[in-house]
Amino acid sequence: EDQVTQSPEALRLQEGESSSLNCSYTVSGLRGLFWYRQDPGKGPEFLFTLYSAGEEKEKERLKATLTKKESFLHITAPKPEDSATYLCAGVNDYKLSFGAGTTVTVRA
Amino acid sequence: GAVVSQHPSRVICKSGTSVKIECRSLDFQATTMFWYRQFPKQSLMLMATSNEGSKATYEQGVEKDKFLINHASLTLSTLTVTSAHPEDSSFYICSAKKGGTSTDTQYFGPGTRLTVL
Repeated sequence: EDQVTQSPEALRLQEGESSSLNCSYTVSGLRGLFWYRQDPGKGPEFLFTLYSAGEEKEKERLKATLTKKESFLHITAPKPEDSATYLCAGVNDYKLSFGAGTTVTVRA
Repeated sequence: GAVVSQHPSRVICKSGTSVKIECRSLDFQATTMFWYRQFPKQSLMLMATSNEGSKATYEQGVEKDKFLINHASLTLSTLTVTSAHPEDSSFYICSAKKGGTSTDTQYFGPGTRLTVL
C-alpha cells in the first residue's frame, strides 16, 4: 500500500528561525511529489512539483528537494504569514496519496 | 491562474436528508475532477475520481450509492451525500486538473464543511 509520512506533526518556530520538514514516501510507480500549503478551514494551495531525485525548487522562503525516498521542505527565515499546514503527496498513474501534514506556527 | 470554487462553504443538515455540493473550475476546463474528505489532523482521503460524461471511479470502501457524483460538464462536478448521518460529518474538498497526465497539478477548492445533526 502506498504510504506518505510527514514529520514532525507540528513545528513551532520563532520568526527568522529556519527549519526543515520531512516527507518520507513509499509510492509504487511514483511519477511526482507535490507540496501544498493548507490554511485552517481552506483547501490546499499548490506550491511545488518535483519529478526526479536531485531536483530542487524554490519559491520565496521555501525550497523543496527530492531524494529517492524522501522530500524536504526548507523554510528559510520564516515569517508569521508562513504559519500553515504543509502537505506532501506522491502521485502515480492512479492517484495522489497525501501525508497527514506538518503544522508550522511562526511566532513574531 | 487555476481557480476552483465550491458551494456551499458550510452546510448543516438533519440526519436522513441529502446534501449536494458543487465544484466548479472557474478559469479552465477540467479533464478530471476529484473528491476528497478530510478529518481533523488527518490526510486528505480520495473518495472518487470523475471524468466529464462518464461514471465516477470510487475508491475502495466508499459507497457509490451514498456518495453520488455527477460530472455534467468540463467545469462542473457535484457530490450528493444521500441520507446523511452524523458519521458523514466531515470536510469535503474537490480538486480539478487541466491535463490528462498523472503529474498534472490538481488545483483544490476551498472545501465544504458538512455537519449532520
